[in-house]
Amino acid sequence: DSGVTQTPKHLITATGQRVTLRCSPRSGDLSVYWYQQSLDQGLQFLIQYYNGEERAKGNILERFSAQQFPDLHSELNLSSLELGDSALYFCASSAGEPNEKLFFGSGTQLSVL
Amino acid sequence: LAKTTQPISMDSYEGQEVNITCSHNNIATNDYITWYQQFPSQGPRFIIQGYKTKVTNEVASLFIPADRKSSTLSLPRVSLSDTAVYYCLVEGYSTLTFGKGTMLLVSP
Repeated sequence: DSGVTQTPKHLITATGQRVTLRCSPRSGDLSVYWYQQSLDQGLQFLIQYYNGEERAKGNILERFSAQQFPDLHSELNLSSLELGDSALYFCASSAGEPNEKLFFGSGTQLSVL
Repeated sequence: LAKTTQPISMDSYEGQEVNITCSHNNIATNDYITWYQQFPSQGPRFIIQGYKTKVTNEVASLFIPADRKSSTLSLPRVSLSDTAVYYCLVEGYSTLTFGKGTMLLVSP
């Protein structure tokens, strides 16, 4: 158990809909990362937050947004969903210092039908 | 950001030693080299990290030459349960680009 909690584990929705994925970091970790993993793209970095502020942005679509709340949990919002958004979405956390290892949650499997 | 290159896949048999090499020609002075392991439908898991020379822990060894332009993850006496994707990362801060990693298949 990494200590990172992601909910829900599975999500099935239709094209055009909006969903919210939730992540609770390990106790004491200030930084949260979101990744998308699909079969053909590997593990793609989306966005990182540190203590409530956006720190780095990767290949995140404009239809996607995220935030980190004062209690340090984070939410990833995916809107106007397309079939191609079907993927495993992982959250990871760390203390936010350089070269630190990341602790990953078990992911949310999103299926867009 | 440092780019890494590693083999797409490797095959091995139970009990053998497996060495996975990663190239990172433009590694920065402050970058550490970190390896993760990922099983299907699970999040990646930290294996080992090093800066130079050799690092060993209970599951693997990491060999880093003096120029630090490459690194080799060594898994001693692999078992079927070591079948997974292995990622090499060399970014010192934030993003930690994983890429596609190396798919290791261990057969009986």
